[in-house]
Amino acid sequence: QVQLVQSGAEVKKPGASVKVPCKASGYTFTSYYMHWVRQAPGQGLEWMGIINPTDSSTSYAQKLQGRVTMTRDTSTSTVYMELSSLRSEDTAVYYCAREAGERAFDIWGQGTMVTVSS
Amino acid sequence: EIVLTQSPGTLSLSPGERATLSCRASQSVSSSYLAWYQQKPGQAPRVFIYGASNRATGIPDRFSGSGSGTDFTLTISRLEPEDFAVYYCQQYGSSPYTFGQGTKLEIK
Repeated sequence: QVQLVQSGAEVKKPGASVKVPCKASGYTFTSYYMHWVRQAPGQGLEWMGIINPTDSSTSYAQKLQGRVTMTRDTSTSTVYMELSSLRSEDTAVYYCAREAGERAFDIWGQGTMVTVSS
Repeated sequence: EIVLTQSPGTLSLSPGERATLSCRASQSVSSSYLAWYQQKPGQAPRVFIYGASNRATGIPDRFSGSGSGTDFTLTISRLEPEDFAVYYCQQYGSSPYTFGQGTKLEIK
């Protein structure tokens, strides 16, 4: 079945980087854009950016520009989100989500909890 | 950036009642690319409505979406116990793809 599978929880120190994978299966990887959305504890959803798996072009939320990098590996149908210079405010659950055009974000990963703490 | 404002922040209703959730955009949402998501604790969001008024696969017909331009509404005609959750609206017509702050639908 169509699914996005993410890695387990991470604990990082301030200033470090984290790279979260999201492995897609059950559909043609290059046919759908992929987004990353994060959710701080008890807070709402924040859109982080988008990657086109076909040509790896990206667009990021302005507040994360310079710290976030999204990449993809077509050989393993995996997209990655790397966030650098981590601070406590980056503590959140990070989700990947498939965009199905007008059908919005129809498939989501299960989320990866990233905790930034000294 | 399109800012989405949801109201109310919390809605307290009983099973069997009708729920009306509002989402207002700071500027017109292109092509009615407005979606509603349900999120339960510890779970990823799930799309319920896309294109302002289209139910996603498997969503019961007690859920309906309406609106265009800057004003959108999610209506649940008769609440079931499993409907109590947080609902987010999202515009995906132009980058950045913003979300509203959410409406928590709680049991009265």
